[in-house]
Order: sequence, then C-alpha cells, then structure tokens
Amino acid sequence: DTAVSQTPKYLVTQMGNDKSIKCEQNLGHDTMYWYKQDSKKFLKIMFSYNNKELIINETVPNRFSPKSPDKAHLNLHINSLELGDSAVYFCASSPLAVGLIETQYFGPGTRLLVL
Amino acid sequence: GDSVTQMEGPVTLSEEAFLTINCTYTATGYPSLFWYVQYPGEGLQLLLKATKADDKGSNKGFEATYRKETTSFHLEKGSVQVSDSAVYFCALSVPMDSNYQLIWGAGTKLIIKP
Repeated sequence: DTAVSQTPKYLVTQMGNDKSIKCEQNLGHDTMYWYKQDSKKFLKIMFSYNNKELIINETVPNRFSPKSPDKAHLNLHINSLELGDSAVYFCASSPLAVGLIETQYFGPGTRLLVL
Repeated sequence: GDSVTQMEGPVTLSEEAFLTINCTYTATGYPSLFWYVQYPGEGLQLLLKATKADDKGSNKGFEATYRKETTSFHLEKGSVQVSDSAVYFCALSVPMDSNYQLIWGAGTKLIIKP
C-alpha cells in the first residue's frame, strides 16, 4: 500500500516547457506539502495546503502553481521551466490528529532535470 | 527566527563504530524535535521524535534526547551498520495558523564502510 505517491518519478524536459507533477495520499491526512531538494540535499518548503486551502506559500517564483482538487491530491504545475528548477521535488502529508500533527509522511520524490 | 543547525557532512565511519550527529536549534517557545532519515533514492521518513524537554526519542537503535538547557537534540547510535548509510535531517516544529511547519536542518550525509 503506497501512502504518499508521486508521478512521474523522473522528468527530463527542455527549458521553457510547462510540466506538472502529481501527488496523492491515501492516509486520510488533512495537510499536504511540496518541498524542493537541491543537489546538496538542502530541503526547502514551497507550499502547504490544509483541506484544499493554501496555508504556506514560501517565496517561490509564480511560475510554480499548486492545485488541490481534493484533500487527497496536491499537484504542482511549473510554467516556463528554467535550468535552476532542476531538483528533486517531494510531496508530503500530515494528519491533524493530536500527537501526530507534526509528523510528515513523504512521497518517493520526482527527479526533475531541465536541459 | 527559528532555525536548526546540524554538523556538516559527510560523516564517514566504519561498521560497528559509535555515531553522533550533532543538532542544535534556536526557537521561541517549546517546539517538538525530530530526526528524519533519507535513504538513497527515497523520500524522507521519520526516524524519531521528542515533544518536550528531557524526552528521549528512540528507534532502530538510534536515540536522541531533547536538551533544553543546551538547545540540542544530538542523534546517537552505539554500533552502526552499512545499511545506516543515508542522509539524516534534524527538524523542529513551529506553529503556523491551525497547523505546524517544520524547520529543517541542512542534512548530514552518513557513510558507513564495511
């Protein structure tokens, strides 16, 4: 049973293209996140959604747009891809239950390479 | 603001050696503290956590104690294995509206040689 899944796992594309990454969680969690991990493994929060509402929107270019069609899905659309967007993108989710609220569950990552 | 500082890697040890990865934090209030592990090619997963001062989190032979007086949460293991090779992230939680946000350290890569 996959708890947090992402597609695709690998994405190689040309500069200037538009691409989407999909994330789904079957844990019944209320909150979902997108992170970017660079080549030095530094992890940066990009967005957080709570019950389909945006609650964290860190300073990322507006070429990045998250979309949450329902509580179980948080997709990331990227317009006009740039070389610096090459990274691993992780989706995560967390419950709102007391005692568990701060634990995040991560997907396997999407490795994006922009040429 | 709130922050987490981890020792810089990579940390290279021989199998069965004792491991310490240092983590110190700066925070207002009383955050919960976490260690996450990222094995090669995978996402992060929670290793252990502690929610208040003097709590000890433990899992898979790893331990970390929440030390308020030194604002530290060092990760230790008595005898490491090759399979422990991974990147380890220290994190703390801060309230954000009705939820929490995790503040992450930079990660420490651990390499265990047979």
